[in-house]
Amino acid sequence: GDSVTQMEGPVTLSEEAFLTINCTYTATGYPSLFWYVQYPGEGLQLLLKATKADDKGSNKGFEATYRKETTSFHLEKGSVQVSDSAVYFCALNNTGGFKTIFGAGTRLFVKA
Amino acid sequence: DAEITQSPRHKITETGRQVTLACHQTWNHNNMFWYRQDLGHGLRLIHYSYGVHDTNKGEVSDGYSVSRSNTEDLPLTLESAASSQTSVYFCASSELRDPSTDTQYFGPGTRLTVL
Repeated sequence: GDSVTQMEGPVTLSEEAFLTINCTYTATGYPSLFWYVQYPGEGLQLLLKATKADDKGSNKGFEATYRKETTSFHLEKGSVQVSDSAVYFCALNNTGGFKTIFGAGTRLFVKA
Repeated sequence: DAEITQSPRHKITETGRQVTLACHQTWNHNNMFWYRQDLGHGLRLIHYSYGVHDTNKGEVSDGYSVSRSNTEDLPLTLESAASSQTSVYFCASSELRDPSTDTQYFGPGTRLTVL
C-alpha cells in the first residue's frame, strides 16, 4: 500500500541555519504531495503542496520539489527562525482515494 | 472568521465508559474527518464524511462511531473506551471533492486519556 517515510527527529538547528527534512513515498500512480506543520498546542495546517511531478511548492520561505524519479518531496528552508520550531508532516493523497496518508512527523527545534 | 473547534480539549475517562468528542466547523465544508495522532504513527484516519447523513470508515475505525446530522458537526463516539484509545484526536474539514488537491483544515485537537 501507499506509505510516507520521513527522517526521524528531533532536528535541532541554530537560527539562520539551512534546513532539510527528508520525505520519501511509496505509491502507485501519481499522488499529490503535501507538507503540513503543527505548532505547539495547535492542529496541523497546510504549509505547501505539489500535485504533479517536477512541481515546486513554496510558502513562508519553505519549498519542496516533487521528484518522481526518486519518489521524494524533501522540505527545505534557507534560513530558519526560532518561530519555525514545530512538527512537520509529509503527506500524500493518491488519485481516487479520500485517504490522506501522513508520515510520522519530524520535530524541529531552532535555537536562538 | 471561519474556524473548526473541538471540545473538550482534554478528557480523562475510565475503561468501559462511553465518550463523545465534539467537532464543529463554520467553514460550511462538506467533508469532515477524524484522525488520531500517536507517537511514531503520524495521523491515522478513523472516520470521514462527505456530507449530511454520510459516514465512512477509515483505517482505524474499530471501537469508534460518527454521525453527521448537519453540515457543521461530526461528533466522534467511543462506545466503550479502552486504554489503547488514549491518544490525541484531531478533527479536520475540507471543501473540495478531489482529495488529491484539497487542503484540510484541522481543529486544535482533544487529548484523551483512558485509565
